[in-house]
Amino acid sequence: DVKVTQSSRYLVKRTGEKVFLECVQDMDHENMFWYRQDPGLGLRLIYFSYDVKMKEKGDIPEGYSVSREKKERFSLILESASTNQTSMYLCASSRQHSYEQYFGPGTRLTVT
Amino acid sequence: AQSVAQPEDQVNVAEGNPLTVKCTYSVSGNPYLFWYVQYPNRGLQFLLKYITGDNLVKGSYGFEAEFNKSQTSFHLKKPSALVSDSALYFCAVRDRYSSASKIIFGSGTRLSIRP
Repeated sequence: DVKVTQSSRYLVKRTGEKVFLECVQDMDHENMFWYRQDPGLGLRLIYFSYDVKMKEKGDIPEGYSVSREKKERFSLILESASTNQTSMYLCASSRQHSYEQYFGPGTRLTVT
Repeated sequence: AQSVAQPEDQVNVAEGNPLTVKCTYSVSGNPYLFWYVQYPNRGLQFLLKYITGDNLVKGSYGFEAEFNKSQTSFHLKKPSALVSDSALYFCAVRDRYSSASKIIFGSGTRLSIRP
């Protein structure tokens, strides 16, 4: 079974804090993705990575950065958290030429 | 640009009745199409995909979807709904000729099956 794990299910942070969201996959997938999920907006792609140390901006990268130092781990960083970044964050992975993505359980981040 | 629309925020169906969750798409070329399901407090799970071939695609849990090129639609269907089908459903699309690995998700449709 493919497993994608995320470091926290729930997280509460203060405005201005630096926030790290970690994602690990155990299936040697090349591609990894970070999405945020908001009611009525569906899933919006923040960043994705198709190889170690490679990254590409998604549709809403502003206010976020990412790091992929190892193939199995993809980190999302909020340099200075703001209240409009309160959301559910989903990580996913996929094989290089496959379109089926495997999702983690999500991290519900609240910024106060 | 790619886009996908799910025109219904919520669909309510009685158990045992057929269900349809609607999806329309827009891509510049030929599409790859997907349906994902999200059960409460869980991540998204892949249900089915259309890549090429037969327009009727069968997936997990008895679901199927029909690709209609002329109507640019990919509606999700099931002949007999179960209460356990209650969840949030997402349609997604990718342009076949896009070099990127990313797919575009719709806004989601909440399916509620009443006993």
